This record gives sequence, C-alpha cells and structure tokens, in this order.
Amino acid sequence: GAVVSQHPSRVICKSGTSVKIECRSLDFQATTMFWYRQFPKKSLMLMATSNEGSKATYEQGVEKDKFLINHASLTLSTLTVTSAHPEDSSFYICSAYSTGNLAEQYFGPGTRLTVT
Amino acid sequence: QKEVEQNSGPLSVPEGAIASLNCTYSDRGSQSFFWYRQYSGKSPELIMSIYSNGDKEDGRFTAQLNKASQYVSLLIRDSQPSDSATYLCAVRRGAGRRALTFGSGTRLQVQP
Repeated sequence: GAVVSQHPSRVICKSGTSVKIECRSLDFQATTMFWYRQFPKKSLMLMATSNEGSKATYEQGVEKDKFLINHASLTLSTLTVTSAHPEDSSFYICSAYSTGNLAEQYFGPGTRLTVT
Repeated sequence: QKEVEQNSGPLSVPEGAIASLNCTYSDRGSQSFFWYRQYSGKSPELIMSIYSNGDKEDGRFTAQLNKASQYVSLLIRDSQPSDSATYLCAVRRGAGRRALTFGSGTRLQVQP
C-alpha cells in the first residue's frame, strides 16, 4: 500500500505558540490530502481538505485562520496550529489517496499535540 | 442522528471465536464502505473495503454490505488477542477521492 508520513510524531508546546505539522506522501503523488482530528475515545473528525496549488476547504466550525493549511507540492501538506491553546491538544492525522486505481485512503501515523 | 453509528462496546469474545461488528449509516448517497482498525495511540489501518451488496472475504475477515438496510458489518473469524483494538466503520459519499465519515468505533477485546 501507499505510505504517508507525518512529522513530528509528538509535540509539546506552550499556550500561545504555533506548531507546524508536516504530512508527506512518500511513494506517490497526492493532489488531495485530508486533515483529521481525534480527541481521546472519539472518532476521527474531518477538519479540512488540502488541495495542491489551491486553498484548502475547511469543514464547518473549523477556523481557517487558526488552522493554516498549505499544500505546496504533490507530496507535502502542512498544518499549522496558530496561537495554540490547551483545547487544541489532540491527535492530528493526515491522509491521502494514492494515484492510480487504488480507491482507498491511506493514513499517516498521526501527530500527538499537547499544549500546556 | 449520527451519520455513521457503531456500538462503542467493548465487545468481548474468547480467543478463536467469531467477532461480529456492526455499523449503520444514514446517507443513502454513500457508495463506498471501509473498516479500519485502530490501536491505542496509533492511526487507523485499513482492513477491508466494500462497494457492492453482499459479502467480501479477505483471510479471517469478511465484510458484509446491505445498502437497502444501510448496514455494514465485519466478521473476524478465529479471533486472536492481537485483534484487540478499536474498529472504525467509515463511509464515503459518491465516487472520487472524497473524505471519509467515520463512526465512533467499537472496541474489541479478545480474551486469551
């Protein structure tokens, strides 16, 4: 299957600072990537759809100025949590569809963000 | 009504038994259905995908889809302790590379 990586895997930051999370497709090109957030014992909730070369599409209730998404190349999307607060502490997971005939979505390993 | 509903569990089965996991969805426009396994602290791992009514088997796993009843299930035969995880049902509306809508997951515990 296709491989998606994320960096960092864990990050602890202070309230008010910004954190950037990278999502890379390692062996395929991804014109579209997705960012999900998962709180403890909850399901994955879609935050935004990241489109290469254009603006991201945010889900209702997700602040685009707080969660900045950049998809500058076919293999890299970044999510920046700006002015982080403790309530932003969560597990952030990106995903992508492989090119070709595969129709399944592949997930990165996730980034655990803790805001103190 | 949640878009994708699952019993949160835990579902406890003895080793070697069949585990049956169920999922219902509300959007009749859903065309693609997936089962993911998620271990604690890890991201979801795709187990099965199913697109048409009926059964689809892959090793110890069988996915069943009934679009008329808006129901998807996953059977795990010969359950192993390593199968203990949370199983997420996900659906996708329409064709193309769209985002998935996830259920809240069912926690499965396989007792040795």
